[in-house]
Amino acid sequence: AQTVTQSQPEMSVQEAETVTLSCTYDTSESDYYLFWYKQPPSRQMILVIRQEAYKQQNATENRFSVNFQKAAKSFSLKISDSQLGDAAMYFCAYRSALTGTASKLTFGTGTRLQVTL
Amino acid sequence: KAGVTQTPRYLIKTRGQQVTLSCSPISGHRSVSWYQQTPGQGLQFLFEYFSETQRNKGNFPGRFSGRQFSNSRSEMNVSTLELGDSALYLCASSIGLIFQSEQYFGPGTRLTVT
Repeated sequence: AQTVTQSQPEMSVQEAETVTLSCTYDTSESDYYLFWYKQPPSRQMILVIRQEAYKQQNATENRFSVNFQKAAKSFSLKISDSQLGDAAMYFCAYRSALTGTASKLTFGTGTRLQVTL
Repeated sequence: KAGVTQTPRYLIKTRGQQVTLSCSPISGHRSVSWYQQTPGQGLQFLFEYFSETQRNKGNFPGRFSGRQFSNSRSEMNVSTLELGDSALYLCASSIGLIFQSEQYFGPGTRLTVT
């Protein structure tokens, strides 16, 4: 079974600064997808960024980028120019590419990000 | 395009009762997945329905069941409620294809069992 570990329960960053959230995962599969989801106080889960395991290039979405290290099974999220609206719980998630299991997301325990002035 | 909707948003039930939660996916999405979120266990996968068939199931007791209708709307049922069933239940929809399966979440149903 796959596991996802987020070792930072809480992080804090000043507005306009950069912060990196860590995620490691364990799997024996070679093809899979990784995601970062954001859950603000409203509790609505919002997809931030996705990475396909077969792609070497790190995904980027505006101020959000990832550092995907497949051999190390590491998938960190970098938020640049942090904004107050980035304050939320961030979850790292794994999804297999195997037929029949591809729907299941396995989540980490989350990192609560606080953004200060 | 309208997002995923879940009803009701909040629910209070008594131990032993049963409850039904509803989820309407994004138009064109054929897959609906359900997750339970609790402070203690985090986010856990319950099951997924695709084209009215259960395609995948998490490790939950048989008290948790679901179904999907021909219009892709899904319902989740929990029978004989226990205090530990108090949670935020999240529904997510996706197109349902392996390589196009980003899941988009609804706002959740907060279930409190007393």
